Amino acid sequence: EAGVAQSPRYKIIEKRQSVAFWCNPISGHATLYWYQQILGQGPKLLIQFQNNGVVDDSQLPKDRFSAERLKGVDSTLKIQPAKLEDSAVYLCASRRQGLDEQYFGPGTRLTVT
Amino acid sequence: GDSVTQMEGPVTLSEEAFLTINCTYTATGYPSLFWYVQYPGEGLQLLLKATKADDKGSNKGFEATYRKETTSFHLEKGSVQVSDSAVYFCALSEPSQGGSEKLVFGKGTKLTVNP
Repeated sequence: EAGVAQSPRYKIIEKRQSVAFWCNPISGHATLYWYQQILGQGPKLLIQFQNNGVVDDSQLPKDRFSAERLKGVDSTLKIQPAKLEDSAVYLCASRRQGLDEQYFGPGTRLTVT
Repeated sequence: GDSVTQMEGPVTLSEEAFLTINCTYTATGYPSLFWYVQYPGEGLQLLLKATKADDKGSNKGFEATYRKETTSFHLEKGSVQVSDSAVYFCALSEPSQGGSEKLVFGKGTKLTVNP
């Protein structure tokens, strides 16, 4: 089966600009996650969806970050406006209901200058 | 909240050397434990997992045992290869706000294996 797809793979923007990332999970996976991985650290959960509903967004900086999964499949994560500290790799992962393994996409590397 | 602590890297070994990467955790419940691996330019891949105390996860020659008494899940391999060069992440699952599960990761340990 196809893996988790993400685009773009790389993005460079200036601070105060906006940016959007796209994720297509593995077919049939109801749970979708967005993680932020800052250089030298482990991934940190930003938001978790179950189908098209938000399960956990407690660590999402809601003043600048937003995410949606309108049809319970693809998801987009947006940052507006970006700050220098948002430079990181943004990882999308998906999981099949009833199983504990998460499958990760290749990530989008964001550089904010 | 729950947390994971991994040994600091980087770790540099010669081919065929023995590998240990230490991982300890704090958790209020009984989490499942995981090791993920990130090869250069790729996404995270599940390497192995254990879901309860005394379980041993194994894959590709790597092993880790869920030790509840020491709250540890150390990763070991008897003979590393150059192709094992990667960043290794220890993680645990904990309940998320909505009653589902989320992963909490350690900071990662970079392993370089020289020929």
